[in-house]
Amino acid sequence: DTAVSQTPKYLVTQMGNDKSIKCEQNLGHDTMYWYKQDSKKFLKIMFSYNNKELIINETVPNRFSPKSPDKAHLNLHINSLELGDSAVYFCASSLLGQGARGNTIYFGEGSWLTVV
Amino acid sequence: AQTVTQSQPEMSVQEAETVTLSCTYDTSESNYYLFWYKQPPSRQMILVIRQEAYKQQNATENRFSVNFQKAAKSFSLKISDSQLGDTAMYFCALRGSQGNLIFGKGTKLSVKP
Repeated sequence: DTAVSQTPKYLVTQMGNDKSIKCEQNLGHDTMYWYKQDSKKFLKIMFSYNNKELIINETVPNRFSPKSPDKAHLNLHINSLELGDSAVYFCASSLLGQGARGNTIYFGEGSWLTVV
Repeated sequence: AQTVTQSQPEMSVQEAETVTLSCTYDTSESNYYLFWYKQPPSRQMILVIRQEAYKQQNATENRFSVNFQKAAKSFSLKISDSQLGDTAMYFCALRGSQGNLIFGKGTKLSVKP
């Protein structure tokens, strides 16, 4: 009954490789997010999609490309991985513009990416 | 710009005692939402408590309660009867105008037996 699920949970890869992280939510939410948590544990928004439309695109290298095939899925593809991309990437989802209950954002368990 | 500030990088508390984690924020929105998330060593993000800005009553969830001071833009978290399982990073967050969460830098809480 996982609400927001991400795969893979752990990923170790070499510099220069291309990798993807997949995310799916079964909460019926209309908005999904990608957050990055760096080594100092600072959490920052990267992207947000509402009904498959990109609504937030923070200052992120264009090596990062999100894709939302439908409201329940938001994948993150990273090209030419660099050492500094090592982090924990969190997928999250919520309802946007709804009442109090809808304004809670639910997180996946995180994907630990290590670039060597 | 919307910002969240947590001024206590680390705190510790004895088991069964009470501890308060501080958070201040800045926003020009009149209606907004504030949250506290807990992140244990597993790194899972767990919602602890949330507060709607238009509600004057402070939110409570079992041993967790907040002191929401809207005029002062302060949103502190009180943990009563601290338990070893409360050991974690605690993040204060503001729901931004675009729907995303804006996080503080976190407070690392250690509960000592």
